[in-house]
Amino acid sequence: ELKVEQNPLFLSMQEGKNYTIYCNYSTTSDRLYWYRQDPGKSLESLFVLLSNGAVKQEGRLMASLDTKARLSTLHITAAVHDLSATYFCAVKGTGGGADGLTFGKGTHLIIQP
Amino acid sequence: DAGITQSPRYKITETGRQVTLMCHQTWSHSYMFWYRQDLGHGLRLIYYSAAADITDKGEVPDGYVVSRSKTENFPLTLESATRSQTSVYFCASTRVHNEQFFGPGTRLTVL
Repeated sequence: ELKVEQNPLFLSMQEGKNYTIYCNYSTTSDRLYWYRQDPGKSLESLFVLLSNGAVKQEGRLMASLDTKARLSTLHITAAVHDLSATYFCAVKGTGGGADGLTFGKGTHLIIQP
Repeated sequence: DAGITQSPRYKITETGRQVTLMCHQTWSHSYMFWYRQDLGHGLRLIYYSAAADITDKGEVPDGYVVSRSKTENFPLTLESATRSQTSVYFCASTRVHNEQFFGPGTRLTVL
């Protein structure tokens, strides 16, 4: 059974600081996703990581994937208030194209001025 | 407009009633999914579908029924609603091997 663990689950940080969210998963996977969710809203796709060593960056967010360690990170550089949200990582199993995603419980991020 | 829509957006029902949540996508994506989101659990997969007339159970299928007679629609039915099914329900779709796109969600309350 595929399990996905995120940490921390809650993070309060100041603007301008850097921080990293970690996502560990328990079994082999062929792709990993990061999503953002604002309160009361749907999930917005941030990154799709397809292979070992993959690194993607968008603005102040950078995601990486280490399939050997079964670990993905979401790094926030010089945080700004607009990045306050809940961030989810999700992993797709290797059972075939129709498999749904297994989500972590999410990291609730608050960025304070 | 193209995209994925869900209806209703909000629903209040009573224990024992049948409820159907609708999901419609205009991208002609083959794959569609239903998730529920609960505090402390993140999102959990209820059912998924690889194509019209092909559906399969996810992690938490008990108490739910799905159908997919057309590619663009994937309704989720609670046959006899229970309070434990109070949740936010998200529908998603994808082409193969791509990220899933999520609908706006349906907030369901079972009294």
